[in-house]
Amino acid sequence: AQKVTQAQTEISVVEKEDVTLDCVYETRDTTYYLFWYKQPPSGELVFLIRRNSFDEQNEISGRYSWNFQKSTSSFNFTITASQVVDSAVYFCALSGGRGSTLGRLYFGRGTQLTVWP
Amino acid sequence: EAGVAQSPRYKIIEKRQSVAFWCNPISGHATLYWYQQILGQGPKLLIQFQNNGVVDDSQLPKDRFSAERLKGVDSTLKIQPAKLEDSAVYLCASSLGSPPGDTQYFGPGTRLTVL
Repeated sequence: AQKVTQAQTEISVVEKEDVTLDCVYETRDTTYYLFWYKQPPSGELVFLIRRNSFDEQNEISGRYSWNFQKSTSSFNFTITASQVVDSAVYFCALSGGRGSTLGRLYFGRGTQLTVWP
Repeated sequence: EAGVAQSPRYKIIEKRQSVAFWCNPISGHATLYWYQQILGQGPKLLIQFQNNGVVDDSQLPKDRFSAERLKGVDSTLKIQPAKLEDSAVYLCASSLGSPPGDTQYFGPGTRLTVL
C-alpha cells in the first residue's frame, strides 16, 4: 500500500527564518515518484518538484531545496529565508510504478505554513 | 500556455440535488484526473482517464458519481443525488502522456457545499 505521512499539521515562522517540511512515505514499489505541491489560499495546487526513486541527488531551486533519503523513506522540503508569500499548504505526494497504482497520486494531509512579517 | 480550466468555481446545492462540474485540460494532455479534497485532507483520486478511456475508477462512488470524457478532451463529473458528505473541493488535473510518474497539473478546483 502507498502512504504518505506529513506529521507537521501547522508551522509558523517569522519572515527570513528557514523552515523544513517533513515527508515520510511507504511503498513496496521499487520504482516510484515523489512530488511536492503548494496550495495557496486561492486553492490551486501548484507543482514544485518531481523526483524518481533512482535519483537521490538533492535539489536546490532558488530558496527551495529538497532532501531525498531512501534509507529513511523521507523527502523533506526546506525553504530558506522564508517570505510571507510562502504562506500556503504544502503537500507531499507519491506515485507508484506498476499495476493499479499507476498514475494515482497519494497525498499526505498537508502542512499549513504561515510566515509572519 | 493555458492551464487546466474548471467551472464553476463555487456551487451550493441542497442534499439530494444533482450537480455537474466541467474540466478542460491543458492542450495536448492525454491523461485527465478528478480528485476530491475534503477540508483538512489531501486530495483523493476519484477517476483517471487516458484519452477517452477509464484507467482507474476504483475510488469513485458509482452509485452517485459519474464522469465522462467523450472526445478525449474535456470532461464532466456529475453527482446525483448529492449527500452532505460530498461537500469538498473537486480538483481536475491533467498530464501529458502516460503514467507512471507523469507530472500532474491542477486546475483551480470547484468548491461544492451541500446543505
